[in-house]
Amino acid sequence: AQSVAQPEDQVNVAEGNPLTVKCTYSVSGNPYLFWYVQYPNRGLQFLLKYITGDNLVKGSYGFEAEFNKSQTSFHLKKPSALVSDSALYFCAVRDSGYSTLTFGKGTMLLVSP
Amino acid sequence: GAGVSQSPSNKVTEKGKDVELRCDPISGHTALYWYRQRLGQGLEFLIYFQGNSAPDKSGLPSDRFSAERTGESVSTLTIQRTQQEDSAVYLCASNPQGGNQPQHFGDGTRLSIL
Repeated sequence: AQSVAQPEDQVNVAEGNPLTVKCTYSVSGNPYLFWYVQYPNRGLQFLLKYITGDNLVKGSYGFEAEFNKSQTSFHLKKPSALVSDSALYFCAVRDSGYSTLTFGKGTMLLVSP
Repeated sequence: GAGVSQSPSNKVTEKGKDVELRCDPISGHTALYWYRQRLGQGLEFLIYFQGNSAPDKSGLPSDRFSAERTGESVSTLTIQRTQQEDSAVYLCASNPQGGNQPQHFGDGTRLSIL
């Protein structure tokens, strides 16, 4: 089975401060991990993915994520938040034995000016 | 280029009616996915089409839900005898070959059952 958890419903951060959105996963085989962002009344947009290789993955809009196998985590980070980063963020996982993704419930990121 | 297109963008219907939702994937994308997004509940996988293979229907919540895809083009999701709990945003996504390639999402159909 494959599952993913986003423990925070909402994260608040001030503009210019670093941000972290947490994600943990559970798989039987090798994990393939993804982050997507959703703006109001829009579909999801791909940010980044971890398949293999370096544990630190860089993606769109200055976001990055760190794969930690021992902690089964894939937290999303950005060194300096922008107000325009305010959106709903989804973590997703695919076990190597599965053909489809399982998404977390999403974390709302609110960046205040 | 054109992205994934979904229609209608909004649909309001009475309980018990049938509804049909449409998805036009990106041209050339063999993989197509349907998801349901309920408020505060993330994305639920519904069904996955990959080329000419049998679709993965493991996420369909009941036999009232069905989906078809014509070749590698348009897909329709049909909900029969709609219930109030079917109210949600239905999202479609496509990618070139499935697997770990990023999925490209449409903006969804917001379905409201009165």
